[in-house]
Amino acid sequence: GQQVMQIPQYQHVQEGEDFTTYCNSSTTLSNIQWYKQRPGGHPVFLIQLVKSGEVKKQKRLTFQFGEAKKNSSLHITATQTTDVGTYFCAGPRGETSGSRLTFGEGTQLTVNP
Amino acid sequence: EAEVAQSPRYKITEKSQAVAFWCDPISGHATLYWYRQILGQGPELLVQFQDESVVDDSQLPKDRFSAERLKGVDSTLKIQPAELGDSAMYLCASSLRTSGEKTGELFFGEGSRLTVL
Repeated sequence: GQQVMQIPQYQHVQEGEDFTTYCNSSTTLSNIQWYKQRPGGHPVFLIQLVKSGEVKKQKRLTFQFGEAKKNSSLHITATQTTDVGTYFCAGPRGETSGSRLTFGEGTQLTVNP
Repeated sequence: EAEVAQSPRYKITEKSQAVAFWCDPISGHATLYWYRQILGQGPELLVQFQDESVVDDSQLPKDRFSAERLKGVDSTLKIQPAELGDSAMYLCASSLRTSGEKTGELFFGEGSRLTVL
């Protein structure tokens, strides 16, 4: 079945450095979502990408969806301590957008002030 | 802002006992999900409801887990009997219906943390 893999598992950066996490699927995705989970908190929706090659920005965060719709990335420019948390990508398991949403294992980001 | 309500926040039980978790989704959200999250891992879907119907319970250990959403609003997840390996965070989420290629964004509750001794 479809699996969503994320790398790296952990990332430690100094405040001000950039950060990127990558998400790869074994099958084509109809869309991909990104979530952030603060330590001790619950996942919070960040964004959804639908189109091949789509790029979306939210302030210092840039999200990309690959041309083949099998991979995605999240890039944070000039990290801040408020960026600390685990970032998850998630994609529908089946061929339709209503299929179960499968989460990756997440990338845990720590930021040293 | 509307939120997904879950209770209890914390539950400690002994193995072989029964436990139950309750979830009240955001009003108007047709789709309700129960996820299990083990520390350090991503959420794993246990069951997905569309209104009152189960649309996916392929990963639900049906010998001990059950879930219902009788009136298509709030939902209960039950474990009987609990095992040591069930210790995890149980997250409920809700979303609007999917539309075209878009999957409804998930709104998660605070979760119910279960510890089985």
